[in-house]
Amino acid sequence: NAGVTQTPKFRILKIGQSMTLQCAQDMNHNYMYWYRQDPGMGLKLIYYSVGAGITDKGEVPNGYNVSRSTTEDFPLRLELAAPSQTSVYFCASSPRLAGGAYNEQFFGPGTRLTVL
Amino acid sequence: RKEVEQDPGPFNVPEGATVAFNCTYSNSASQSFFWYRQDCRKEPKLLMSVYSSGNEDGRFTAQLNRASQYISLLIRDSKLSDSATYLCVVNIRTPLVFGKGTRLSVIA
Repeated sequence: NAGVTQTPKFRILKIGQSMTLQCAQDMNHNYMYWYRQDPGMGLKLIYYSVGAGITDKGEVPNGYNVSRSTTEDFPLRLELAAPSQTSVYFCASSPRLAGGAYNEQFFGPGTRLTVL
Repeated sequence: RKEVEQDPGPFNVPEGATVAFNCTYSNSASQSFFWYRQDCRKEPKLLMSVYSSGNEDGRFTAQLNRASQYISLLIRDSKLSDSATYLCVVNIRTPLVFGKGTRLSVIA
């Protein structure tokens, strides 16, 4: 199993450009997540999904969009890149547990994005 | 109270020392608790789950205090390879909430 994979590893964007960060998992997990981590800071949740066709906003969704057409893939779209979106982006997935509890999240290696 | 709060550190300790981190959380109804480890410029990885009765994994011991709403992580006989940031994770709300992390540096 590859686990959670993310592409690209690095990207430099100009202000106003758009791009899609790709995320895929091969563990058949229902839950998938996008986080951003600014230097020296904690993880902030951007969007998450509890299954194909279902997405919801996290703490910092502005400037981003997501879709979940399959269990495996959860791409994150930046429409109009701004310097404030310079960050490391992590995708994660986790299996669903009964009873409202949450299980371990498995993270991808991250995408380092710089907006100039 | 912040949802999940950790002392940011850094904790600088010599090899072989014992070090403890605490993490407080705001929601008394939280059910799931974890400690993650994040190495510099890498993704977070699960270190251990935290169970109500407390649990141990080698040199690492995790405890939960529901009455005071905190979890703790104790590292015994610290190694250089333990140097990392330790993240406290709690299901305050859907989904999990990550603390900002406590940085540990183990010095030779």
